[in-house]
Amino acid sequence: GAGVSQSPSNKVTEKGKDVELRCDPISGHTALYWYRQSLGQGLEFLIYFQGNSAPDKSGLPSDRFSAERTGGSVSTLTIQRTQQEDSAVYLCASSPVRGGLYEQFFGPGTRLTVL
Amino acid sequence: ELKVEQNPLFLSMQEGKNYTIYCNYSTTSDRLYWYRQDPGKSLESLFVLLSNGAVKQEGRLMASLDTKARLSTLHITAAVHDLSATYFCAVDNRGAQKLVFGQGTRLTINP
Repeated sequence: GAGVSQSPSNKVTEKGKDVELRCDPISGHTALYWYRQSLGQGLEFLIYFQGNSAPDKSGLPSDRFSAERTGGSVSTLTIQRTQQEDSAVYLCASSPVRGGLYEQFFGPGTRLTVL
Repeated sequence: ELKVEQNPLFLSMQEGKNYTIYCNYSTTSDRLYWYRQDPGKSLESLFVLLSNGAVKQEGRLMASLDTKARLSTLHITAAVHDLSATYFCAVDNRGAQKLVFGQGTRLTINP
């Protein structure tokens, strides 16, 4: 079956511009996660959705970052007024949350470059 | 705060040899995950370890979990070039759902 998909695969933007990153989870997966992977920081958790609500936003690095999920499916991560330190690969994952097990399946990522 | 540490961070080995990657974590958890990442690619799930003493094997890779020692190992037997990748362990921060990842171990297997 189809896995997690993300778009765009690559995004180059200028400092100060806003960007939107999209994630389509595996159908039926109720949990959705955003992570960021950068050379200096490794893999960092950003935000977690259960359905359309976000019980844990603790990893969002600043108020320039926001995310939403609609219809219990697609999620968008928005970064406003991008900075060079936002350059990273943004990974989305989804999980079926079976029996308390939160095995996460990752998408291919969006590589964001802020010039 | 949950911390996850892997060692070694870099490992270069010859085909046919055996080696072990270690993953230590700082607080109680009984769910540990191993992922593989090829260059420029996303994370591929390898193993999910759910309880103390759990051992799982797939091909030349075997993972184990000791929750009392807060330690997981990923053992590579008779390495082949195709196993070259970066391997991450991650711990499920109980009750928080998010995964906390180790730094990754970049494994290079030379013919």
